[in-house]
Amino acid sequence: GQQLNQSPQSMFIQEGEDVSMNCTSSSIFNTWLWYKQDPGEGPVLLIALYKAGELTSNGRLTAQFGITRKDSFLNISASIPSDVGIYFCAGTASKLTFGTGTRLQVTL
Amino acid sequence: DGGITQSPKYLFRKEGQNVTLSCEQNLNHDAMYWYRQDPGQGLRLIYYSQIVNDFQKGDIAEGYSVSREKKESFPLTVTSAQKNPTAFYLCASSAITGVSGANVLTFGAGSRLTVL
Repeated sequence: GQQLNQSPQSMFIQEGEDVSMNCTSSSIFNTWLWYKQDPGEGPVLLIALYKAGELTSNGRLTAQFGITRKDSFLNISASIPSDVGIYFCAGTASKLTFGTGTRLQVTL
Repeated sequence: DGGITQSPKYLFRKEGQNVTLSCEQNLNHDAMYWYRQDPGQGLRLIYYSQIVNDFQKGDIAEGYSVSREKKESFPLTVTSAQKNPTAFYLCASSAITGVSGANVLTFGAGSRLTVL
C-alpha cells in the first residue's frame, strides 16, 4: 500500500527562524496537500499542489510538488508563535494518504 | 458560513456502550469521511461515503458503523466491539467524489472520545 514518510517528527525553533519539512512517498502521487492542525481542532488546508514541479506560496508558507512526484516540501519563513501546531502532508494516488505529521513548537 | 459541525466535542463512555458522533455539513459536498487520530500517528480512514445511502469501509472500519441517509449528515457509531475506542475523531467532506484525483478535504473541529 501507499506509505508517506514525513520528517522531521517534531521541531523546536526560535521565533523568527525559517522552518522546512518534507514528505516522501513510496509511489507516485497526483496531488499533494499540506494541512495545519491546532491543538484540539481539525486540520485546516494550507496549500494544495496539483502538478509536478509546482511551487505555491500562501503568505509566509511555500510548498513544492517534487519533480519525481514522490515528494513534497513545506517551508515556513520567519516563524511566529501562532505557527505552533501539527503539520500534515497528504497525497493522492489511488486514494488519499496522510503523513504522520510534524509537530512544530516555537519558542520566543 | 459554510462548514462542518461535529458534536459532541467531548464524550465519555463506559466500556460496553455504543456512542454516536454527529457530523453535519452545509458545504453541499457529495463525499464525507470519518478519520481516527491517535497521538503520534497520521489520520486513519474509518469509513467514507460518496453518495447518499452508500458508504465504504476504510482502513480501520472494524467496531464502527455509519449511515448516510441525508447528504448533509454522516453519523459515526462507535460500538462496543471497538477494542480501543479512546481517540480523537475527525469528520471531513469533499466536493470531488472520486477515490483518485484531487480530494481536497474540509475537516470539522473533531470529537474526543474517552472510554472510562
